[in-house]
Amino acid sequence: QVQLVESGGAVVQPGRSLRLSCATSGFTLSNHAMHWVRQAPGKGPEWLALTSYDGKNTKYADSVKARFTISRDNSKNRVYLQMNSLRLDDTAVYYCAKAFIVGPTFFDYWGQGTLVTVSS
Amino acid sequence: EVVLTQSPATLSLSPGERATLSCRASESVSGYLAWYQQRPGQAPRLLIYDSSNRATDIPARFSGSGSGTDFTLTISSLEPEDFAVYYCQQRGSWPLTFGGGTKVEIK
Repeated sequence: QVQLVESGGAVVQPGRSLRLSCATSGFTLSNHAMHWVRQAPGKGPEWLALTSYDGKNTKYADSVKARFTISRDNSKNRVYLQMNSLRLDDTAVYYCAKAFIVGPTFFDYWGQGTLVTVSS
Repeated sequence: EVVLTQSPATLSLSPGERATLSCRASESVSGYLAWYQQRPGQAPRLLIYDSSNRATDIPARFSGSGSGTDFTLTISSLEPEDFAVYYCQQRGSWPLTFGGGTKVEIK
């Protein structure tokens, strides 16, 4: 069955960097676009970033553009989110999510999430 | 960006009752709207996509309708496991956006 397992969440100070990882299994990663979505405490989810099936195309929300970078290694079945210049309002649970279709999409599978806390 | 407004914020109902949840978009998203269920401590789960299509293994008591800017999720008869938070999400344009959620709680 499809499984997505995020890791790398931590407590970090403002301005620092963190790299999240998403290990995938149960499907052929190289056939699917993948996304990162976050959810701040008590809030609705917020879409962050997309990587196309081959990693050649990416897209970002304005809130993270130029600070976060999404990437993937299909040979390792992993998707990554490099987060730089972290701010207090980046505190959230971060999910990787599998695209349901190509292009603007819904998400048919989500990981369990990894918590990032930005605090001084 | 498309802003999704969900109402009500909280819905207090008893098991067996019918639940009607609303999602309004700030501009037309055609039929490109999904609904998710989120239980405490869990990730969102896709229920309905493209307004009215049930996702895999979703019970028939869940149904969706609407187009343009107004959408509805209906749960025909609430089961104990349906008490959760529900979110809508649009894929009509970038960036993809979610609503703020409706909590369905036990009355």
